[in-house]
Amino acid sequence: DSGVTQTPKHLITATGQRVTLRCSPRSGDLSVYWYQQSLDQGLQFLIQYYNGEERAKGNILERFSAQQFPDLHSELNLSSLELGDSALYFCASSVGQLALRQFFGPGTRLTVL
Amino acid sequence: GNSVTQMEGPVTLSEEAFLTINCTYTATGYPSLFWYVQYPGEGLQLLLKATKADDKGSNKGFEATYRKETTSFHLEKGSVQVSDSAVYFCALSDLGETSGSRLTFGEGTQLTVNP
Repeated sequence: DSGVTQTPKHLITATGQRVTLRCSPRSGDLSVYWYQQSLDQGLQFLIQYYNGEERAKGNILERFSAQQFPDLHSELNLSSLELGDSALYFCASSVGQLALRQFFGPGTRLTVL
Repeated sequence: GNSVTQMEGPVTLSEEAFLTINCTYTATGYPSLFWYVQYPGEGLQLLLKATKADDKGSNKGFEATYRKETTSFHLEKGSVQVSDSAVYFCALSDLGETSGSRLTFGEGTQLTVNP
């Protein structure tokens, strides 16, 4: 158990819909990262937040957004969902902003029908 | 941009066989290198890391050496066990390019060890 929690574990929705994925980092960690794992794209970095502020941005679509709240939990919002958004979404956390070790949650499996 | 290339899988071995999974990278600056492991139905776990050239990371019998001259970070284990069956990801962290940090992953290599 990494100490990072993600909810829900599974999510099934339809094209065009909007969903929110939630992540609680390990106690004491200030950075949260989001990654997408899909069969065709592999494991890709989406975005990083540190203590409530966006710190790094990867291949995140404009239809996706994220935020980190004062209690340090984070939410990833995915809107206007397409079939290709079906993937496993991982959250990771680390103590600092420039971390050599990230702890991964178990992931949320999103299926878009 | 940065990239990581892993040997194509899947890899199937018998118990106690020697394991090598090749990993090469392209990066500007001096990245840190990692191997992560993903067991079925779980998130990724850090297996080992190396932060500078010629560093050797090791854990649970696995080893990898950061080779700057060949831009490689190959994973090795002398004697694999059935419990090592998992997907292995090579990754790099480009701490120098942005104010934050991100991991760039290879494609992953599925390892199956048969008794």
